[in-house]
This record gives sequence, C-alpha cells and structure tokens, in this order.
Amino acid sequence: AQRVTQPEKLLSVFKGAPVELKCNYSYSGSPELFWYVQYSRQRLQLLLRHISRESIKGFTADLNKGETSFHLKKPFAQEEDSAMYYCALSDRGSTLGRLYFGRGTQLTVWP
Amino acid sequence: DTAVSQTPKYLVTQMGNDKSIKCEQNLGHDTMYWYKQDSKKFLKIMFSYNNKELIINETVPNRFSPKSPDKAHLNLHINSLELGDSAVYFCASSPTLTDTQYFGPGTRLTVL
Repeated sequence: AQRVTQPEKLLSVFKGAPVELKCNYSYSGSPELFWYVQYSRQRLQLLLRHISRESIKGFTADLNKGETSFHLKKPFAQEEDSAMYYCALSDRGSTLGRLYFGRGTQLTVWP
Repeated sequence: DTAVSQTPKYLVTQMGNDKSIKCEQNLGHDTMYWYKQDSKKFLKIMFSYNNKELIINETVPNRFSPKSPDKAHLNLHINSLELGDSAVYFCASSPTLTDTQYFGPGTRLTVL
C-alpha cells in the first residue's frame, strides 16, 4: 500500500516565487515525517523532520494530521533549491526503523 | 571526515557476474541500511541491520546477500547479476533504529 504520495513528479517555478511541494501520507500508526533532498549527483540528505519544527534553508513543513499532509514550503525559491525532494515516513511506534519514501518531486527553479 | 562511504562509486559489469558493494560508516551508529533507487528515482529499502543483526529484509531476491562484519560495515553481495539490477544503491546509517538516517553517496550499478 502506498504510504507516502507525492503527486507532482516535476515542479518548476521562477526564482523568487513561492514553492510548495506536496506530500500526503497514509498510515495507521504514529508517523514521523521527513523531507530529504538530493542535489544533482550528491547524496540524499535530511532537510527537515516534523518533530524538530525548524526551518532549514528557508523551508518549512507542517504536519497536518487532519489532512494527513506534510507539505514543504518556501516563500521565495532560489536557483540552488533545484533538486529532487523526497517525503518520507517512519513509524515512531515501531522498532524496525523502516523509512517509506514517496516517489520524489524534481524541483527546478528558473532564473 | 565523519560520514557514510561506499565503494565503488560506479560499477559496470556483465549479466551473470557476482559483485559486491561496500559500505562503511564512522559515525558510531548502531543501524545500517541498503536502499535501491530505480531508474525512475524511486527509493526502496532492501535491508537493515542493527548491531550486526538483520532487522528488515524486504522481499529482495536471495541473489542479494548483505553481510555485516561489524557495526561500522554493511556490504552488499549480488550473485548472478541481471539487467534489472541496474540501479543506484544507497547505504545509510542511523544512531538507532528510530533515528534520522544518513546516506552514503550511492553506487551506480550498470548491468550489461
């Protein structure tokens, strides 16, 4: 069963425009949500996790349990934000440590 | 430099061959993972080890065999390689099973 859905495979915005990368999840347990980013030819790295409630590189994401969403937002996109973004879910109540990834959204920020 | 490292970075081989990918982490983490990223960039977990013990084995063909000689290493051995095994394989580690995972740079495997 698809646990993490990223409906947009590709997303393009112009520099300075707001950007929102959508993520919806489906899980009956106690989920913890993450956003990972993969810049071109680089390793996957953690961008942010919902429990830390912090802003990294201007990005924020709020867990909305009612809508089961964890959308990633940035008010003013920069060219260096162009990358592949993955939403991921982990069951906090599980001891397996399994991360379920969405299929990713390729963000392109045009100059 | 503390990190998760993988060797080789690129691996090109013929169908039917046996190959290994090595992963090492010097972060002092207890848990290590292998993920497969297919041509459509979809990431899926293959295995996880905690303190050298296999925790997750996700419906992976038994041609794939992980080996963890110690907590800092998790190697992936693949027998009888097939065309469909072509992908990028990522190693990752985390302090414990429920912590943030840190990824290696990936190994791009191409099976001809």
